[in-house]
Amino acid sequence: EAQVTQNPRYLITVTGKKLTVTCSQNMNHEYMSWYRQDPGLGLRQIYYSMNVEVTDKGDVPEGYKVSRKEKRNFPLILESPSPNQTSLYFCASSSGQGIGKLFFGSGTQLSVL
Amino acid sequence: AQSVSQHNHHVILSEAASLELGCNYSYGGTVNLFWYVQYPGQHLQLLLKYFSGDPLVKGIKGFEAEFIKSKFSFNLRKPSVQWSDTAEYFCAVLSSASKIIFGSGTRLSIRP
Repeated sequence: EAQVTQNPRYLITVTGKKLTVTCSQNMNHEYMSWYRQDPGLGLRQIYYSMNVEVTDKGDVPEGYKVSRKEKRNFPLILESPSPNQTSLYFCASSSGQGIGKLFFGSGTQLSVL
Repeated sequence: AQSVSQHNHHVILSEAASLELGCNYSYGGTVNLFWYVQYPGQHLQLLLKYFSGDPLVKGIKGFEAEFIKSKFSFNLRKPSVQWSDTAEYFCAVLSSASKIIFGSGTRLSIRP
């Protein structure tokens, strides 16, 4: 089954404790992206990747890192989480020809205390 | 700056009522436009998309949207809503090879 898998679904952590949210897709998609969803603000793009070893900043990259060492995986790293990073995070992927027709993961609800 | 505006933050309708959700974008070049739906507790799914051609686009579950270039609009419509259409709806624009911009979303509540 074609899917984008994010883990974990829920995460509670404390300020400053490094964490990684994993994202994996099994559709051989070139394009992958991370979004955060906050009430009244919709989805804002954090980082995106056009292909392996190619990443770029979205609209709200501060405080986040990503890597794309393999085509299927695109982890989101918070080196020193802060409470303003409490949010619902979505990973998404798309084929190179159909960027915009995104397949989303189920989301990760992160709470930073 | 490129942006997408959804002016209706929360819309409440009765079953069988007609629906129109507004979406306006600000980008002067060629645009690709999308509507995504997020059912309660679920991830976003593509409802419909416009790349080129017929400006009236039909999507899944009876939804359609009309691209009006002169008005920079891509409004979502459905002639008769059902309770199962309760969800949050996001308009999005692909304004460059990789920049996808989402609107702030419209929450739709349907009274049974």
